[in-house]
Amino acid sequence: GAGVSQSPRYKVAKRGQDVALRCDPISGHVSLFWYQQALGQGPEFLTYFQNEAQLDKSGLPSDRFFAERPEGSVSTLKIQRTQQEDSAVYLCASMKALGANVLTFGAGSRLTVL
Amino acid sequence: AQRVTQPEKLLSVFKGAPVELKCNYSYSGSPELFWYVQYSRQRLQLLLRHISRESIKGFTADLNKGETSFHLKKPFAQEEDSAMYYCALENSGGSNYKLTFGKGTLLTVNP
Repeated sequence: GAGVSQSPRYKVAKRGQDVALRCDPISGHVSLFWYQQALGQGPEFLTYFQNEAQLDKSGLPSDRFFAERPEGSVSTLKIQRTQQEDSAVYLCASMKALGANVLTFGAGSRLTVL
Repeated sequence: AQRVTQPEKLLSVFKGAPVELKCNYSYSGSPELFWYVQYSRQRLQLLLRHISRESIKGFTADLNKGETSFHLKKPFAQEEDSAMYYCALENSGGSNYKLTFGKGTLLTVNP
């Protein structure tokens, strides 16, 4: 596609529910990132994939957060047993390869946990 | 640990006035620094990176290692510059991986 596509754009969940957020990166982009942006804050790194390999998951806040990219293209960020502090915009970004390329962000998925 | 500080949450200037958005960082290695911008209802996008030493939309930013700063400047602000600006630091040897962002500065350029 022309850009990074994320769905759903908005998600309201009751505390304790599981949610899944999807990211379609730009076709051919090897590197894929997830960031979390809480209200009034800058984006914070969650995890990084190179093709299907999750090379860094150091930013995932707890074991309730899980990300996958099984075929090296679409990625899913799953949050189990959501808590109110999980409310944030989840940004996906992709890049052709590590190096001098530009990181292209999606529009984000805004999660609100009630 | 690396940290990026943007001391101004809000900055308001008049059209035609100079603008400077401040960014300070703490990092033990050799930093790669960026400015990202988010216009209203648009996605976060790269404005400029220090290694390119370029001017984008009239904006420039100089890395000052002595003061650990990377302030964004424009001599004559335009209304279309109104946006949220984020300073970011990359910490893996210049490979644009794992950015650390500041909290952002909302710039408003008044007519």
